[in-house]
Amino acid sequence: NAGVTQTPKFQVLKTGQSMTLQCAQDMNHNSMYWYRQDPGMGLRLIYYSASEGTTDKGEVPNGYNVSRLNKREFSLRLESAAPSQTSVYFCASTNQRDQPQHFGDGTRLSIL
Amino acid sequence: AQSVTQLGSHVSVSEGALVLLRCNYSSSVPPYLFWYVQYPNQGLQLLLKYTSAATLVKGINGFEAEFKKSETSFHLTKPSAHMSDAAEYFCAVVNFNNDMRFGAGTRLTVKP
Repeated sequence: NAGVTQTPKFQVLKTGQSMTLQCAQDMNHNSMYWYRQDPGMGLRLIYYSASEGTTDKGEVPNGYNVSRLNKREFSLRLESAAPSQTSVYFCASTNQRDQPQHFGDGTRLSIL
Repeated sequence: AQSVTQLGSHVSVSEGALVLLRCNYSSSVPPYLFWYVQYPNQGLQLLLKYTSAATLVKGINGFEAEFKKSETSFHLTKPSAHMSDAAEYFCAVVNFNNDMRFGAGTRLTVKP
């Protein structure tokens, strides 16, 4: 049972570089989400996709773009990385509001 | 957007003692509420959820939570702490547009 798979698991970038984080789920879920986790701040929603073909901004969308490639895949792109984007990024998916989200293991991103 | 507030960023209990982790939500209508647990270097796992069926919700690993509308609270409890309960715990609420908002988290330490 793969669930939600995120790649890569770790990445170090230099300021100004670009990067795409990949996320894929095999549970046939309609909705997918990208969060960042920083110490003392919990998880903050960056972008989400309620269904294939739609994307919406969350709490902290600045500096990020997303693509819902198909029902399975939802990618997060940093066009010009900044040190403030150093964080752990989590992807999640679910089918309905009253159902829990399933999380990947995270991508640890450091920007120097 | 609805939000949740977790009171206490760190809670320390002795093994065998009661665990009480506090969560208050901001909503004028009963929301969908979740508790998740995160072990070091892992993603989030669902402990339990409230979706208006019953006010006392039982979850995994002996945890339960009671939804109290009059107090806008959804506190997490466990009668007897175990060393393996040491982790970070997150309360979360789902908004009507399907995005989920998390509290800042409470780190639980269990002393032998």
